[in-house]
Amino acid sequence: GENVEQHPSTLSVQEGDSAVIKCTYSDSASNYFPWYKQELGKRPQLIIDIRSNVGEKKDQRIAVTLNKTAKHFSLHITETQPEDSAVYFCAASIKNTDKLIFGTGTRLQVFP
Amino acid sequence: EAGVTQSPTHLIKTRGQQATLRCSPISGHTSVYWYQQALGLGLQFLLWYDEGEERNRGNFPPRFSGRQFPNYSSELNVNALELEDSALYLCASSYRPGRGYTFGSGTRLTV
Repeated sequence: GENVEQHPSTLSVQEGDSAVIKCTYSDSASNYFPWYKQELGKRPQLIIDIRSNVGEKKDQRIAVTLNKTAKHFSLHITETQPEDSAVYFCAASIKNTDKLIFGTGTRLQVFP
Repeated sequence: EAGVTQSPTHLIKTRGQQATLRCSPISGHTSVYWYQQALGLGLQFLLWYDEGEERNRGNFPPRFSGRQFPNYSSELNVNALELEDSALYLCASSYRPGRGYTFGSGTRLTV
């Protein structure tokens, strides 16, 4: 069935270190992979996305990589800052639809 | 541009009652998606509406239903409320073909 697995569920890093969150999807026809950041009590916000015809995308301190063969994609945050602390969700589209299936989330804590 | 708006912000109901949640998408967005986010958990897909029709529904019982109006706004109805229905209900809209969702601030339903 449609499934997205996300690891780790919690991640604590020191300010300035890098953080990596990994996701695996089940639908080989998935072609769109967004990442959302949800701060406490707020709505999820799109921070970066990647399509299946691209292997890597970068936006300042944030990058996403996609391995279609292995059905893995990852979020990389470099030079982490306390304001990066939030829950991060990965998602994958379901074939022939705009429907997104979300991972279970990663709670990232960045300590000063 | 106005974002996705949801109402009410909070809703308190008792077990067995019915709840109606509303969502207005971003102007020009024709697809509306509903997700349930129980406390501390991820986003569970509920329903997807596009051009006034239900396109897909998640693994939820039939007492979760909804509709989309001609102006693309949407309603989510939850009948015969149960305690485990307490959650944040998020609405999102997108401009096809799937350029990512924009979420509303959600309705927090407490049963």
